Amino acid sequence: AQKVTQTQTSISVVEKTTVTMDCVYETRDSSYFLFWYKQTASGEIVFLIRQDSYKKENATVGHYSLNFQKPKSSIGLIITATQIEDSAVYFCAMRERNNNNAPRFGAGTKLSVKP
Amino acid sequence: DTTVKQNPRYKLARVGKPVNLICSQTMNHDTMYWYQKKPNQAPKLLLFYYDKILNREADTFEKFQSSRPNNSFCSLYIGSAGLEYSAMYLCASRRLGNQDTQYFGPGTRLLVL
Repeated sequence: AQKVTQTQTSISVVEKTTVTMDCVYETRDSSYFLFWYKQTASGEIVFLIRQDSYKKENATVGHYSLNFQKPKSSIGLIITATQIEDSAVYFCAMRERNNNNAPRFGAGTKLSVKP
Repeated sequence: DTTVKQNPRYKLARVGKPVNLICSQTMNHDTMYWYQKKPNQAPKLLLFYYDKILNREADTFEKFQSSRPNNSFCSLYIGSAGLEYSAMYLCASRRLGNQDTQYFGPGTRLLVL
């Protein structure tokens, strides 16, 4: 069964610094996909970045990057040069390769970026 | 256009009354999902359609129903709302294929009184 765990309930950082949010997952599938989403103040969930389990290179999109440690079943989200508008709740999700599976989400980490 | 639309955005319902929420997308995605999101909790998968095949989660099987009259639309139906149904309901869609990401709608905020 799939399970996604985000242990950090909230994080507070000063703007322009780098922050890392943790996520660990459980799966019996050898092939799967990992995602990070951001929930805006309005409640909307926006896709940020993904990592395919068969890729060794960490994904990078803009100032988001991933720290994929497959042996540890870990997929951390790194945000560099944080901005005030990065303040949001960040969700980690996983979907197993079987196309009939749906993504499962972690409980989220609330990031506060302060001036 | 990667837009998923949801109607209404806000819904007030009375306990015991039915609720029908609508989702649409024009991306020709064959899979559509419904999640329930409560504050400080993970989005919880309720059900999803792959084409015309409905998959419902075991623990919400009897509480939620859905229909998908065509590829673009998907509804979520609550036959008799209870206070515990108050939540944000998120619709998402994805084109079947391992390379494709799930896209979310803006959500419908349901308040049951």
